[in-house]
Amino acid sequence: GQQVMQIPQYQHVQEGEDFTTYCNSSTTLSNIQWYKQRPGGHPVFLIQLVKSGEVKKQKRLTFQFGEAKKNSSLHITATQTTDVGTYFCAGRRTGGFKTIFGAGTRLFVKA
Amino acid sequence: DTEVTQTPKHLVMGMTNKKSLKCEQHMGHRAMYWYKQKAKKPPELMFVYSYEKLSINESVPSRFSPECPNSSLLNLHLHALQPEDSALYLCASSQGSPGTPRQSGANVLTFGAGSRLTVL
Repeated sequence: GQQVMQIPQYQHVQEGEDFTTYCNSSTTLSNIQWYKQRPGGHPVFLIQLVKSGEVKKQKRLTFQFGEAKKNSSLHITATQTTDVGTYFCAGRRTGGFKTIFGAGTRLFVKA
Repeated sequence: DTEVTQTPKHLVMGMTNKKSLKCEQHMGHRAMYWYKQKAKKPPELMFVYSYEKLSINESVPSRFSPECPNSSLLNLHLHALQPEDSALYLCASSQGSPGTPRQSGANVLTFGAGSRLTVL
Protein backbone atom coordinates (compact mmCIF):
# COMPACT_ATOMS: atom_id res chain seq x y z
CA GLY A 1 0.00 0.00 0.00
CA GLN A 2 0.90 3.63 -0.18
CA GLN A 3 3.48 4.79 2.35
CA VAL A 4 4.65 8.30 3.12
CA MET A 5 7.92 8.52 5.00
CA GLN A 6 8.99 11.67 6.75
CA ILE A 7 12.35 12.60 8.30
CA PRO A 8 13.70 13.58 10.69
CA GLN A 9 11.44 12.34 13.46
CA TYR A 10 12.35 15.39 15.54
CA GLN A 11 14.79 18.28 15.46
CA HIS A 12 16.09 20.69 18.07
CA VAL A 13 17.29 24.07 16.79
CA GLN A 14 18.45 27.32 18.28
CA GLU A 15 16.18 30.24 17.48
CA GLY A 16 17.37 31.82 14.26
CA GLU A 17 18.64 28.56 12.75
CA ASP A 18 17.07 27.02 9.69
CA PHE A 19 14.99 23.84 9.67
CA THR A 20 14.03 21.36 6.96
CA THR A 21 11.76 18.33 6.97
CA TYR A 22 11.60 15.83 4.11
CA CYS A 23 8.80 13.65 2.88
CA ASN A 24 9.11 10.65 0.54
CA SER A 25 6.42 8.51 -1.00
CA SER A 26 6.63 4.97 -2.31
CA THR A 27 4.25 5.94 -5.12
CA THR A 28 3.70 8.97 -7.34
CA LEU A 29 1.49 11.52 -5.64
CA SER A 30 -1.28 13.57 -7.20
CA ASN A 31 -0.74 16.25 -4.61
CA ILE A 32 0.93 16.84 -1.29
CA GLN A 33 -0.31 18.89 1.62
CA TRP A 34 1.51 20.19 4.67
CA TYR A 35 -0.06 20.63 8.09
CA LYS A 36 1.22 22.04 11.36
CA GLN A 37 0.09 20.80 14.76
CA ARG A 38 1.03 22.87 17.78
CA PRO A 39 1.55 21.04 21.10
CA GLY A 40 -1.89 20.21 22.47
CA GLY A 41 -3.54 21.40 19.28
CA HIS A 42 -4.93 19.98 16.08
CA PRO A 43 -3.48 19.84 12.55
CA VAL A 44 -3.84 23.08 10.63
CA PHE A 45 -3.46 23.22 6.87
CA LEU A 46 -0.47 25.16 5.59
CA ILE A 47 -0.28 24.56 1.85
CA GLN A 48 -0.98 22.20 -1.04
CA LEU A 49 1.39 21.44 -3.92
CA VAL A 50 0.12 19.87 -7.11
CA LYS A 51 2.57 20.42 -9.96
CA SER A 52 5.85 18.64 -10.59
CA GLY A 53 8.76 20.79 -9.37
CA GLU A 54 6.43 23.30 -7.74
CA VAL A 55 7.86 25.72 -5.18
CA LYS A 56 5.71 27.87 -2.94
CA LYS A 57 6.66 30.34 -0.25
CA GLN A 58 4.83 31.63 2.79
CA LYS A 59 6.97 34.25 4.53
CA ARG A 60 9.82 32.22 6.08
CA LEU A 61 8.43 28.86 4.89
CA THR A 62 9.41 27.34 1.53
CA PHE A 63 7.67 24.26 0.20
CA GLN A 64 8.90 22.12 -2.69
CA PHE A 65 7.39 19.25 -4.66
CA GLY A 66 9.86 16.99 -6.44
CA GLU A 67 10.06 16.59 -10.19
CA ALA A 68 8.94 12.96 -9.93
CA LYS A 69 6.12 13.94 -7.55
CA LYS A 70 7.35 11.43 -4.99
CA ASN A 71 9.06 13.74 -2.54
CA SER A 72 8.54 17.08 -0.90
CA SER A 73 10.26 19.34 1.60
CA LEU A 74 9.42 22.16 3.96
CA HIS A 75 12.17 24.61 4.83
CA ILE A 76 11.87 27.25 7.54
CA THR A 77 14.36 30.09 7.47
CA ALA A 78 15.44 31.69 10.75
CA THR A 79 13.18 29.72 13.07
CA GLN A 80 11.22 31.45 15.81
CA THR A 81 9.74 30.02 18.99
CA THR A 82 6.31 30.29 17.39
CA ASP A 83 7.41 27.66 14.84
CA VAL A 84 7.37 24.98 17.55
CA GLY A 85 5.13 22.03 16.72
CA THR A 86 4.85 18.95 14.55
CA TYR A 87 4.88 19.33 10.79
CA PHE A 88 3.08 16.65 8.80
CA CYS A 89 3.15 16.05 5.10
CA ALA A 90 0.10 14.32 3.68
CA GLY A 91 -0.09 12.86 0.21
CA ARG A 92 -2.61 11.29 -2.06
CA ARG A 93 -1.34 8.84 -4.62
CA THR A 94 -2.28 9.30 -8.24
CA GLY A 95 -5.74 7.84 -8.76
CA GLY A 96 -6.20 7.33 -5.05
CA PHE A 97 -8.90 8.59 -2.76
CA LYS A 98 -7.17 8.68 0.61
CA THR A 99 -4.82 11.27 2.02
CA ILE A 100 -2.01 9.49 3.87
CA PHE A 101 -0.07 11.33 6.56
CA GLY A 102 3.65 11.09 7.09
CA ALA A 103 4.89 10.34 10.59
CA GLY A 104 5.58 14.03 11.24
CA THR A 105 8.64 15.98 12.32
CA ARG A 106 8.59 17.54 15.76
CA LEU A 107 10.38 20.88 15.86
CA PHE A 108 11.78 22.23 19.10
CA VAL A 109 13.11 25.80 19.10
CA LYS A 110 15.31 27.04 21.92
CA ALA A 111 15.26 30.77 22.57
CA ASP B 1 -17.86 30.25 9.73
CA THR B 2 -14.63 28.37 8.95
CA GLU B 3 -14.61 26.05 11.94
CA VAL B 4 -15.19 22.42 12.71
CA THR B 5 -16.63 22.10 16.21
CA GLN B 6 -16.21 18.94 18.27
CA THR B 7 -17.81 17.97 21.55
CA PRO B 8 -16.96 16.96 24.16
CA LYS B 9 -13.37 18.17 24.42
CA HIS B 10 -12.58 15.50 26.99
CA LEU B 11 -14.31 12.22 27.72
CA VAL B 12 -13.54 9.52 30.28
CA MET B 13 -15.48 6.30 29.98
CA GLY B 14 -15.47 2.78 31.27
CA MET B 15 -15.26 -0.25 29.04
CA THR B 16 -18.97 -0.98 29.42
CA ASN B 17 -20.17 2.56 28.74
CA LYS B 18 -21.86 3.88 25.62
CA LYS B 19 -20.95 7.39 24.61
CA SER B 20 -20.89 9.55 21.49
CA LEU B 21 -18.56 12.10 19.99
CA LYS B 22 -20.09 14.89 17.95
CA CYS B 23 -18.79 17.04 15.14
CA GLU B 24 -20.38 19.97 13.32
CA GLN B 25 -19.35 22.16 10.40
CA HIS B 26 -21.20 24.96 8.63
CA MET B 27 -18.82 25.53 5.74
CA GLY B 28 -20.96 23.60 3.26
CA HIS B 29 -18.27 20.93 3.03
CA ARG B 30 -19.40 17.71 1.39
CA ALA B 31 -17.00 15.27 3.01
CA MET B 32 -16.47 14.59 6.70
CA TYR B 33 -13.86 12.41 8.34
CA TRP B 34 -12.99 10.72 11.60
CA TYR B 35 -9.31 10.36 12.46
CA LYS B 36 -7.70 8.76 15.49
CA GLN B 37 -4.43 10.17 16.79
CA LYS B 38 -2.24 8.55 19.42
CA ALA B 39 0.44 10.57 21.17
CA LYS B 40 3.40 11.46 18.94
CA LYS B 41 1.78 9.74 15.96
CA PRO B 42 0.13 11.06 12.81
CA PRO B 43 -3.65 11.14 12.40
CA GLU B 44 -4.93 7.74 11.30
CA LEU B 45 -7.99 7.67 9.04
CA MET B 46 -11.02 5.80 10.39
CA PHE B 47 -14.07 6.78 8.32
CA VAL B 48 -15.01 9.07 5.48
CA TYR B 49 -18.51 10.30 4.66
CA SER B 50 -19.08 11.80 1.26
CA TYR B 51 -22.43 13.48 0.58
CA GLU B 52 -23.73 11.93 3.80
CA LYS B 53 -22.88 8.39 2.69
CA LEU B 54 -20.13 6.25 4.20
CA SER B 55 -17.49 5.97 1.50
CA ILE B 56 -14.45 4.72 3.38
CA ASN B 57 -14.20 2.47 6.44
CA GLU B 58 -10.60 1.67 7.26
CA SER B 59 -11.44 -1.70 8.81
CA VAL B 60 -12.34 -0.04 12.08
CA PRO B 61 -13.67 -2.37 14.85
CA SER B 62 -17.45 -2.37 15.19
CA ARG B 63 -17.23 -0.89 18.68
CA PHE B 64 -16.84 2.39 16.75
CA SER B 65 -20.01 3.27 14.86
CA PRO B 66 -20.14 6.42 12.72
CA GLU B 67 -23.30 8.28 11.82
CA CYS B 68 -23.93 11.23 9.54
CA PRO B 69 -27.41 12.63 10.29
CA ASN B 70 -27.04 15.44 7.76
CA SER B 71 -24.41 17.27 5.74
CA SER B 72 -23.32 19.37 8.74
CA LEU B 73 -23.17 16.75 11.45
CA LEU B 74 -21.02 13.71 12.09
CA ASN B 75 -21.20 11.46 15.12
CA LEU B 76 -19.04 8.65 16.39
CA HIS B 77 -20.82 6.22 18.70
CA LEU B 78 -18.61 4.37 21.13
CA HIS B 79 -19.47 1.10 22.86
CA ALA B 80 -17.43 -1.49 24.74
CA LEU B 81 -14.16 0.29 24.09
CA GLN B 82 -10.79 -0.95 25.24
CA PRO B 83 -8.10 1.03 27.10
CA GLU B 84 -5.96 1.00 23.94
CA ASP B 85 -8.69 3.03 22.23
CA SER B 86 -7.70 6.00 24.37
CA ALA B 87 -6.59 8.70 21.94
CA LEU B 88 -7.40 12.07 20.44
CA TYR B 89 -10.30 11.70 18.01
CA LEU B 90 -10.22 14.32 15.30
CA CYS B 91 -13.07 15.24 13.03
CA ALA B 92 -12.26 16.92 9.73
CA SER B 93 -14.15 18.15 6.71
CA SER B 94 -13.25 18.97 3.14
CA GLN B 95 -15.06 20.92 0.46
CA GLY B 96 -15.16 18.02 -1.96
CA SER B 97 -15.27 14.28 -1.75
CA PRO B 98 -12.01 12.30 -1.64
CA GLY B 99 -12.26 11.73 -5.38
CA THR B 100 -12.27 15.43 -6.24
CA PRO B 101 -9.76 16.41 -8.97
CA ARG B 102 -6.31 17.00 -7.60
CA GLN B 103 -5.86 20.54 -8.88
CA SER B 104 -8.53 22.00 -6.68
CA GLY B 105 -8.22 22.70 -3.01
CA ALA B 106 -11.37 20.71 -2.45
CA ASN B 107 -9.70 17.89 -0.56
CA VAL B 108 -7.89 20.16 1.91
CA LEU B 109 -8.77 19.03 5.42
CA THR B 110 -10.13 21.39 8.07
CA PHE B 111 -9.76 19.74 11.46
CA GLY B 112 -11.70 20.27 14.65
CA ALA B 113 -9.93 20.68 17.98
CA GLY B 114 -10.52 17.02 18.80
CA SER B 115 -12.08 14.99 21.57
CA ARG B 116 -9.56 13.49 23.95
CA LEU B 117 -10.87 10.09 25.01
CA THR B 118 -9.69 8.08 27.98
CA VAL B 119 -10.99 4.54 28.41
CA LEU B 120 -10.56 3.08 31.88
